[in-house]
Amino acid sequence: EAGVAQSPRYKIIEKRQSVAFWCNPISGHATLYWYQQILGQGPKLLIQFQNNGVVDDSQLPKDRFSAERLKGVDSTLKIQPAKLEDSAVYLCASSFSENNEQFFGPGTRLTVL
Amino acid sequence: SQQGEEDPQALSIQEGENATMNCSYKTSINNLQWYRQNSGRGLVHLILIRSNEREKHSGRLRVTLDTSKKSSSLLITASRAADTASYFCATAGTALIFGKGTTLSVSS
Repeated sequence: EAGVAQSPRYKIIEKRQSVAFWCNPISGHATLYWYQQILGQGPKLLIQFQNNGVVDDSQLPKDRFSAERLKGVDSTLKIQPAKLEDSAVYLCASSFSENNEQFFGPGTRLTVL
Repeated sequence: SQQGEEDPQALSIQEGENATMNCSYKTSINNLQWYRQNSGRGLVHLILIRSNEREKHSGRLRVTLDTSKKSSSLLITASRAADTASYFCATAGTALIFGKGTTLSVSS
């Protein structure tokens, strides 16, 4: 079974630039999550989708972050404009349903200079 | 916000010894999950224990849950160098909330 795919794996940008991350979840998984993990901390949920609808985006900084899940499959997360404090690893995960085991992708390491 | 809080923050043991990590949380949960993260394999799910369960085993892993004390423990028996990683508890309520993790180092 193919795992969760993410791209790119690494991205370096300057502050105030824009960046986008892509995620392809495991086939058949209805729930998709984006997390932000800052060095030395646990992952923090940014947004949760159930199919193509948003379930929870309470911790998404909506003035600069946006996310969508096209046709309930792939998802993109965008940051515009980026700030220094956005430097982190962005993890995508999927699960068959809410509150179940989550499968994580390899993450995208973002460095904002 | 992070609900789960792991203890200790760091743990160093020798191969063959047992490792115990604890997790405390604040609000009611549907289940509690433990994950492992290392540079080679990323974040991997280890075990899920439901709120009506008290103990669960999986291979060398044993997890307990005490909902009255809002706490859980993860025991890894007969540890190996390959167990070196960060371990996170995650509480599932309306969302999955991760703690800051315990860094385990197993030396041979």
